[in-house]
Amino acid sequence: AQSVTQLDSHVSVSEGTPVLLRCNYSSSYSPSLFWYVQHPNKGLQLLLKYTSAATLVKGINGFEAEFKKSETSFHLTKPSAHMSDAAEYFCVVLTGNQFYFGTGTSLTVIP
Amino acid sequence: NAGVTQTPKFRVLKTGQSMTLLCAQDMNHEYMYWYRQDPGMGLRLIHYSVGEGTTAKGEVPDGYNVSRLKKQNFLLGLESAAPSQTSVYFCASSYSPQTQYFGPGTRLLVL
Repeated sequence: AQSVTQLDSHVSVSEGTPVLLRCNYSSSYSPSLFWYVQHPNKGLQLLLKYTSAATLVKGINGFEAEFKKSETSFHLTKPSAHMSDAAEYFCVVLTGNQFYFGTGTSLTVIP
Repeated sequence: NAGVTQTPKFRVLKTGQSMTLLCAQDMNHEYMYWYRQDPGMGLRLIHYSVGEGTTAKGEVPDGYNVSRLKKQNFLLGLESAAPSQTSVYFCASSYSPQTQYFGPGTRLLVL
């Protein structure tokens, strides 16, 4: 069975400090993994994806994620949070033709 | 290039009424998906299509039907709406089962 667990439903950081959003997955196969962002009342936008190439993946807006097979993790990081990063973030695993979404992490950025 | 569009943006139904949500994409994508998003549950796949004339069930298909008569359109139907189908519905498309492009969403309220 495939599943995604986002370990924190809410994360608050101060502007300019690092961001860490945690994601663990389970998959019977070598997975493709994604992070999407959703700003309020908007659709979802792809931040980055891992598809069995380099384990450290760089995405848009300064975000990156590291695939760690031994820990079955795909945590999202950013060195310095910006106010515009406040949004909902979803970790997603693709198996076959189906995507499985985590329940989301709401990121608040405090000025 | 409009990307992925959804019609309508918002709808209120009474229990037992029927309706169809339209998703259209102008990127010549083979794959199209319908999701529902509920608070605290992330996105869950309802149905998907891997090409014109094909459809398949996702995680939560009960109470919904779909059709893909044209490559650019993916219709989601509710034959007899129930309050449990109150949700935000997102359509997505992709060239292959990798990066998805999402529409802006349809808010459905079933009374």
